[in-house]
Amino acid sequence: DTAVSQTPKYLVTQMGNDKSIKCEQNLGHDTMYWYKQDSKKFLKIMFSYNNKELIINETVPNRFSPKSPDKAHLNLHINSLELGDSAVYFCASSSRTGKAFFGQGTRLTVV
Amino acid sequence: GESVGLHLPTLSVQEGDNSIINCAYSNSASDYFIWYKQESGKGPQFIIDIRSNMDKRQGQRVTVLLNKTVKHLSLQIAATQPGDSAVYFCAENSVKERAGSYQLTFGKGTKLSVIP
Repeated sequence: DTAVSQTPKYLVTQMGNDKSIKCEQNLGHDTMYWYKQDSKKFLKIMFSYNNKELIINETVPNRFSPKSPDKAHLNLHINSLELGDSAVYFCASSSRTGKAFFGQGTRLTVV
Repeated sequence: GESVGLHLPTLSVQEGDNSIINCAYSNSASDYFIWYKQESGKGPQFIIDIRSNMDKRQGQRVTVLLNKTVKHLSLQIAATQPGDSAVYFCAENSVKERAGSYQLTFGKGTKLSVIP
């Protein structure tokens, strides 16, 4: 069983569209995250979320919004996609120990 | 800004040799460090971790060393194999002021290439 799974693996869309990436974890973790990896492989946190609070990296545009229907899911919704949003997006989850487990990534290409 | 960095962006080693990947961090409050391996087209995969009350931890063919005095972390891979070829990231994990809020801060990554 995949611990952290995200869909789709690849997403190609036009500028201005709205899209969502789904993430699910079956580890029973309380905290989930979204990371963005740019073309230089740099991983930058976008959001961390548990059942108590959402922490937003202040550099993330408000076009990006996480949505959590329950503790096992944290979806990423993006409005009005821009060319610069093209990247690989990773979902992750962790327990209180801090060890994070990552999904396989979603490669978003905005054309 | 970034608080975790790497000295070497690329590293090529001969199969069978030992590899050492270095990392510098700047947040003295960080109490937990993790090394991740990322293969092409995959997500970061946990390799080994270490808490700040330790200076060395060993796993299978891997050893992590922590020097808090100079804020330095290293990953040693013994008898490097072709399957070790990947990008390696160090990450620090500090508990935020608000309880339960962990965030991993990643370094830039080192690409390890193993020469057969």
